[in-house]
Amino acid sequence: KQEVTQIPAALSVPEGENLVLNCSFTDSAIYNLQWFRQDPGKGLTSLLLIQSSQREQTSGRLNASLDKSSGRSTLYIAASQPGDSATYLCAVSAAGNKLTFGGGTRVLVKP
Amino acid sequence: GAGVSQSPSNKVTEKGKDVELRCDPISGHTALYWYRQSLGQGLEFLIYFQGNSAPDKSGLPSDRFSAERTGGSVSTLTIQRTQQEDSAVYLCASSLGPARTFTEAFFGQGTRLTVV
Repeated sequence: KQEVTQIPAALSVPEGENLVLNCSFTDSAIYNLQWFRQDPGKGLTSLLLIQSSQREQTSGRLNASLDKSSGRSTLYIAASQPGDSATYLCAVSAAGNKLTFGGGTRVLVKP
Repeated sequence: GAGVSQSPSNKVTEKGKDVELRCDPISGHTALYWYRQSLGQGLEFLIYFQGNSAPDKSGLPSDRFSAERTGGSVSTLTIQRTQQEDSAVYLCASSLGPARTFTEAFFGQGTRLTVV
């Protein structure tokens, strides 16, 4: 059974500092990994999708890496801003097609 | 529509009543997922629809929960005889194809269900 873990559960940084969010999964036989952002009381916003054959994906200040063999992904957010405060979730998809989510990392960027 | 639409956005119901939650996926998306997010908890998979295939119902927590997807588009999640532990945010997502086609999943804003 696939298990996804995100550490730390919460993170607080001053504005301008780079953010590093970690995601690990137990079964490396995945199709893809997706990072999401969730604001309080809202749904999930897709940030990046990394296919299993890819090593990284970039969008603006966001960069996500994937090391499938070790079961790890890292989301980097450069030059953090208060508007980046949210909960960040990673999810993997595998045989059966459903997404398995980590518990999320709650980020607070202090002005 | 431009995104996944869920209705109602909020629902308060009395214990024992039945509720229906609706999801309109992005047009043309063949895959549709329902998840549940309880207060302070992670996302719990409920059910997955892919095209005309039989749905994966492995995440439904009890036989009080059911879902259907009519015409390969709109989906309805029904909870019968609601209990207080059913209180949660119910999230729907859709994607262009199944996960093995490497397509991105897009989520709606959710329905917040409160059972009193």
